[in-house]
Amino acid sequence: SQQGEEDPQALSIQEGENATMNCSYKTSINNLQWYRQNSGRGLVHLILIRSNEREKHSGRLRVTLDTSKKSSSLLITASRAADTASYFCGHGSRLTFGEGTQLTVNP
Amino acid sequence: DTGVSQDPRHKITKRGQNVTFRCDPISEHNRLYWYRQTLGQGPEFLTYFQNEAQLEKSRLLSDRFSAERPKGSFSTLEIQRTEQGDSAMYLCASSSQGNYEQYFGPGTRLTVT
Repeated sequence: SQQGEEDPQALSIQEGENATMNCSYKTSINNLQWYRQNSGRGLVHLILIRSNEREKHSGRLRVTLDTSKKSSSLLITASRAADTASYFCGHGSRLTFGEGTQLTVNP
Repeated sequence: DTGVSQDPRHKITKRGQNVTFRCDPISEHNRLYWYRQTLGQGPEFLTYFQNEAQLEKSRLLSDRFSAERPKGSFSTLEIQRTEQGDSAMYLCASSSQGNYEQYFGPGTRLTVT
C-alpha cells in the first residue's frame, strides 16, 4: 500500500496560472523528493528538499516542507502546457510514493 | 533520456509464461532499484541492489519474481508463471551512493493475457 498521499488527485489549470500540489507522509524523513512523470514514461527528478530545510527553489518550482505536519507542497509558477504530467512526492532511500497529482495545463 | 535504459519497452505474454526484463543503469551508479507501477498509482518498490548485492526485497516480490545484478552493472528481473495481475509498468532506477536522487528508465510495460 502507498504510504504517502498527494493532493489533489487531479488539477486542471490554464497556461500561465500557478499550480500547487501537496504531499503528506507518515514516517520520519531525511529528505523528500518530487518527481514528474509524463504519460507512459519513466519518472524525472525535479527537486530534493532536506528535512532541515523549509523551502527550496529551482527555476519555476518552489517546494516547502513542514516536518511537524509531515507535509510538503510543490508550486509551479507560470505553468506551461508542457508541465502537463503526473507529479509524485517520494521519500526514503528506496522511494515510497503516493498516488500522484495529475496536472493538466490547458493552452 | 536519463541514461538508464530498459529492454524491452513492451512485452505481451500469455498467462503462465516466463518473462525477463533488462535494465542498464548509468555506468557509475552503484545502486539499482526496481519498481512496479499500475495504472493510476505511484510506483511501488520491489527490490534494490548495491553493486551486485541484493539488499532489500519488498513483500510485493513473490517467489515468482527474481532479480539479479551479476556483475554490479546491468540487472534482470524475471517473472515466472506470469499472472494477469502482473500486468504493470516495471521501472528501473539507479543512483550513486550518497545521492538520493534516482534516475529512472522509460519502463517495460508488461501485458499478461
